[in-house]
Amino acid sequence: DSGVTQTPKHLITATGQRVTLRCSPRSGDLSVYWYQQSLDQGLQFLIQYYNGEERAKGNILERFSAQQFPDLHSELNLSSLELGDSALYFCASSLPGGPLGNSPLHFGNGTRLTVT
Amino acid sequence: EDQVTQSPEALRLQEGESSSLNCSYTVSGLRGLFWYRQDPGKGPEFLFTLYSAGEEKEKERLKATLTKKESFLHITAPKPEDSATYLCAVRRYNTDKLIFGTGTRLQVFP
Repeated sequence: DSGVTQTPKHLITATGQRVTLRCSPRSGDLSVYWYQQSLDQGLQFLIQYYNGEERAKGNILERFSAQQFPDLHSELNLSSLELGDSALYFCASSLPGGPLGNSPLHFGNGTRLTVT
Repeated sequence: EDQVTQSPEALRLQEGESSSLNCSYTVSGLRGLFWYRQDPGKGPEFLFTLYSAGEEKEKERLKATLTKKESFLHITAPKPEDSATYLCAVRRYNTDKLIFGTGTRLQVFP
């Protein structure tokens, strides 16, 4: 058990809808990352938050947004869903970085999103 | 652009048949190279971090090595429970995110 909790485990929704994925990081971790994993593209970095602030952005669509709350949990919001958004969405967390920090990411078990 | 390429895409081994997985990378300023194991329907599980060329790390039947251009994950006398997808990722200086390869799907048969 990595200590990272994601809910829900599965989500089935229709095109055009909006969903929210939730992530609770490991105790003590300040950074939260969101990744998308599809069969043909592997793990793609979406966005990182550090202690409530956006730290880095990857190939995240404008229809997607995220935030990290004061209690450090994070939510990923996906709107105007399309069939191609069907994928596994993973959240990961890590200890604070900095010049001497190089801690690994610890992943949750993901949310499987199916858009029909 | 940072890039991570893993080979082979898939590998089938007989129990006890040792082999190696390859991870080639191109990154400006490598801060660390990471190996993960991913089981179906689960999130990636951290295995190793390697920081500099020449470094080696071991865990049970797995040994990871690093050169300036690639990393190898050696699997000695594998067992069926080693079957999984093995992912390689890199982190460059001044960032925290990891850039992943597409993985090697390993199947070990008894």
